[in-house]
This record gives sequence, C-alpha cells and structure tokens, in this order.
Amino acid sequence: GAVVSQHPSWVICKSGTSVKIECRSLDFQATTMFWYRQFPKQSLMLMATSNEGSKATYEQGVEKDKFLINHASLTLSTLTVTSAHPEDSSFYICSADGTSGYTGELFFGEGSRLTVL
Amino acid sequence: GENVEQHPSTLSVQEGDSAVIKCTYSDSASNYFPWYKQELGKRPQLIIDIRSNVGEKKDQRIAVTLNKTAKHFSLHITETQPEDSAVYFCAAGKGGSNYKLTFGKGTLLTVNP
Repeated sequence: GAVVSQHPSWVICKSGTSVKIECRSLDFQATTMFWYRQFPKQSLMLMATSNEGSKATYEQGVEKDKFLINHASLTLSTLTVTSAHPEDSSFYICSADGTSGYTGELFFGEGSRLTVL
Repeated sequence: GENVEQHPSTLSVQEGDSAVIKCTYSDSASNYFPWYKQELGKRPQLIIDIRSNVGEKKDQRIAVTLNKTAKHFSLHITETQPEDSAVYFCAAGKGGSNYKLTFGKGTLLTVNP
C-alpha cells in the first residue's frame, strides 16, 4: 500500500514556541491530506483538510491562525503549531488518500507526539 | 455534518471467541465505511472497508456488514487471538470535493489468552 511518513515522531518544546510537523507521501501524489489530533484513549478528531496549492479547510472550533497548514507540493503537507501551550500537547496524525479523486483508503503517518512544557 | 456512534467502548473476550463492534452513522449520503485497527502509540491501519453498494464483505477472520436503511455497520472478528487486542475505529465518509472521514470513538478490544 501507499506509504505516508511523518516527522518528527515526537517533540518536546517550551510554551510559546512554534513546532512544525511534516507529512510526506513517499510513493504517491496526494492532492489532499488530512490532519487529525488524538488525545489519550480518545478518537481521531479531524482538524483540517489540506489541499495542494490552496488554503486548508478547517473544522469548526480549530483555530486556523494557531494551526498553520501548508500543502506546497503533491507530496508534502506541514502543520505548524504556533505559540504552543501545554493544552496543545497531543498526538497529531496526518493521512492521505491513496487513490486520487474519489473516496479511498486513508493511509496514516506514524504520528507526532507533541509535549509542550 | 456526519456523526458516527460506536459501541461498545470496551470489549473483553476469551481467545477463540467472536467479537462484534457496531457503528451507526447519520448522513445517508455517506458511502464508504472503513475499519481501522490502532495499537498503542502506533498509526491506525486499515483492516477492512465496505462501500454502500455492498452489504457484506469478508476477509479471513474479519467481516463487515452494512445496513444502509438502518444506517449501521458492524465489524465481526471470529476466532479471536491475543494479537487482535487493540483499539478499533469505524469511520464513515463520502466522495466529492468535501471528502473526509468521520471516526467513531473507538473500541478497546482485549483478547484474553
């Protein structure tokens, strides 16, 4: 199947700093990527849909100025958590549709565990 | 928007028994229903999926059934093994320019040896 790679797998930062997480599709082109957030023992909550070459679509309640998403190429999307605070600590996972166009299987990255001190 | 309910939240079975997890969805336009398995600290992995034009799909010990009229779908795991222990998520989605998947809250399955 298609491979999605996410980096870094874990990061610790100080409150007030910004953190960038990268999501790459290694063997396919992903027009659309999705960013999820997962708290311990909870479900995957969609934060935003990242579209190559255009602005991301954010879910209700997600601050677009805090969670900056850039999808500059068909194989790379980035999520930047700006001015991070302890409540932003979470597991962030990206995914991409392995079949362009219609609904298809989502392939997930390894996830990035963010801890804000 | 779509709302997916998943039950039970936890399920404990003996090795060799069957496990059933049920989900309901609210948007009748949803037409894609995957199931993901997530082990602790790892990424979700697709284990089986079904589309709205099919009522049942089976892959070895895993099967999924879909009832479009009632808007519910279920995951069936037979002859469970300890390595089946994980969190299972159902999801519902639909195609088009606004494609996205909405996930259920997950079921923690524990298979006791």
